[in-house]
Amino acid sequence: QKEVEQNSGPLSVPEGAIASLNCTYSDRGSQSFFWYRQYSGKSPELIMSIYSNGDKEDGRFTAQLNKASQYVSLLIRDSQPSDSATYLCAVNGDYGKLTFGQGTILTVHP
Amino acid sequence: SAVISQKPSRDICQRGTSLTIQCQVDSQVTMMFWYRQQPGQSLTLIATANQGSEATYESGFVIDKFPISRPNLTFSTLTVSNMSPEDSSIYLCSVATRPTDTQYFGPGTRLTVL
Repeated sequence: QKEVEQNSGPLSVPEGAIASLNCTYSDRGSQSFFWYRQYSGKSPELIMSIYSNGDKEDGRFTAQLNKASQYVSLLIRDSQPSDSATYLCAVNGDYGKLTFGQGTILTVHP
Repeated sequence: SAVISQKPSRDICQRGTSLTIQCQVDSQVTMMFWYRQQPGQSLTLIATANQGSEATYESGFVIDKFPISRPNLTFSTLTVSNMSPEDSSIYLCSVATRPTDTQYFGPGTRLTVL
């Protein structure tokens, strides 16, 4: 069974700090990796997608992928209280099926 | 990205009844999926909705309990049949252009079964 594991939370960081979210996956054949953010009572919204080894930056967000280690991470720089949410790591498998991690609750306190 | 709507946004139902959830997309999409998010949990894939053919169900989900239709490339329905309180969840549809592409999610349907 394909598995996606996220670092246990909840994670609490002060405003302005770097939040680091980690995820490991079991299926070596996975090609696409996603980070979604989900506010309470809302549906998941895409933060980052990454397909190749290395770093991908978008504003305050950086996704890192290491396929050899089966590891993907998300860094949030200059964290803001509005970043407080549940972050979901998702890995794409056969025929586009997404497997989600259990989510990490992030709280950014002023 | 596509604009996705779901109806109803929420409902409270009695056990033993059925509810049909609609997912409408503003553009044609190849891939449509249905997920369940139980309270305090992450998302679990129920099935892939295939246009013009039977849906492909994941382990633990069966057609008799969760019949799915997809008559065209912009619309799909999920029915939750013979509901029990354990079916209380958020049901989400998602769409993608290609299997490796980003999936975008609808706003979800919050279902409570009494």
